[in-house]
Amino acid sequence: GAGVSQSPSNKVTEKGKDVELRCDPISGHTALYWYRQSLGQGLEFLIYFQGNSAPDKSGLPSDRFSAERTGGSVSTLTIQRTQQEDSAVYLCASSQTKTGGGKNEQFFGPGTRLTVL
Amino acid sequence: AQSVTQLGSHVSVSEGALVLLRCNYSSSVPPYLFWYVQYPNQGLQLLLKYTSAATLVKGINGFEAEFKKSETSFHLTKPSAHMSDAAEYFCAATYFGNEKLTFGTGTRLTIIP
Repeated sequence: GAGVSQSPSNKVTEKGKDVELRCDPISGHTALYWYRQSLGQGLEFLIYFQGNSAPDKSGLPSDRFSAERTGGSVSTLTIQRTQQEDSAVYLCASSQTKTGGGKNEQFFGPGTRLTVL
Repeated sequence: AQSVTQLGSHVSVSEGALVLLRCNYSSSVPPYLFWYVQYPNQGLQLLLKYTSAATLVKGINGFEAEFKKSETSFHLTKPSAHMSDAAEYFCAATYFGNEKLTFGTGTRLTIIP
């Protein structure tokens, strides 16, 4: 079946602009995660959704970052007033977890490469 | 804070030689542990995971890893390297029942023909 998809695959924006990144999880997966991969910081957790709720948003780096999930499916990560340090690959993952306690496999999408000029 | 340490950001091995990629975790309570592989311009793919069942875990593509509590380690091995194994490998953990993955800094594996 289809895996996790993300759009756009590449996004170039100017400093100060807002961007929206989209994630379509695997059908039926209740858990959805956003991570960021950058040269300086490696792979960092941003936020975790269970259904439409976000019980863990501890990794969001500032209030310029927000995310939502609707219908227990698609998620959007929004970055307002982008800065050059926001340049990174943003990865989305999903899993079947309801009460997995952290043991379930997370399936990753190909990522969105964001470049802030 | 809990962490995952990967020793060696770059590892080179000859084709057919043993692959050994090192991973250590930081807590006294063993986490769940994962090895992921990332090929260029692709997402992460799970190789194998440890969830407190067998300490020797076998994964895809001939990889395996052994959980050693006494050493807080979860090293990844493959007996005979293949050119197609060239990629970046990430060790990751989930701690105390949390869902978020904590990643190591990654090891880039190069295979020498």
